[in-house]
Amino acid sequence: DIQMTQSPSSLSASVGDRVTITCRASQSISTYLNWYQQKPGKAPKLLIYAASSLQSGVPSRFSGSGSGTDFTLTISSLQPEDFATYYCQQSYSASWTFGQGTKVEIK
Amino acid sequence: EVQLVESGGGLVQPGGSLRLSCAASGFTFSSFDMNWVRQAPGKGLEWVSYISSSSSTIYYADSVKGRFTISRDNAKNSLSLQMNSLRAEDTAVYYCARDLVGYDGDAFDIWGQGTMVTVSS
Repeated sequence: DIQMTQSPSSLSASVGDRVTITCRASQSISTYLNWYQQKPGKAPKLLIYAASSLQSGVPSRFSGSGSGTDFTLTISSLQPEDFATYYCQQSYSASWTFGQGTKVEIK
Repeated sequence: EVQLVESGGGLVQPGGSLRLSCAASGFTFSSFDMNWVRQAPGKGLEWVSYISSSSSTIYYADSVKGRFTISRDNAKNSLSLQMNSLRAEDTAVYYCARDLVGYDGDAFDIWGQGTMVTVSS
């Protein structure tokens, strides 16, 4: 299986900050990389698919980039509703795997 | 409204069985591939199983292969997960999730609210 490693595991940030989360795959996955946001007690929400495509209805402050093994999720100006856990997921091979998650907390 | 609603979770003893269901509404269920994804308490997400729109292609995670069976009934807009030989490590919230259409990869664009499965004696 392809292993997905996110960094950092958690971070503290303030409203208005620019936040970057990275995700590394154990082998090349082209751009078959998705990002999700999950709030406590809720189902995950798709933010970005195909590494950089913004899912319908997701604010434009979210963006994704990367290809091959290294990817980033960027929140350009952190809003109060963005405090959550973020997961990357590869869909290159049919045993889809997620990163361990990055918890974004209020500083 | 596009919606997925899971049911069937509960407390089961190790070695027991449970059948989860997912009722779909608000979209043409028969046109979408579907998945089960689980999340153990306080842990991350783990993909469990995939079924194509026509049931012609099915995949399982190694951790459940041979014990879980995914199926669907397009006439009833329903997805199921039959779970046998349950273990403590299967304890989790189980979500059904729809595959995003128009993308040749697999992203999960609609999720249910989840149903809790607890395996304990």
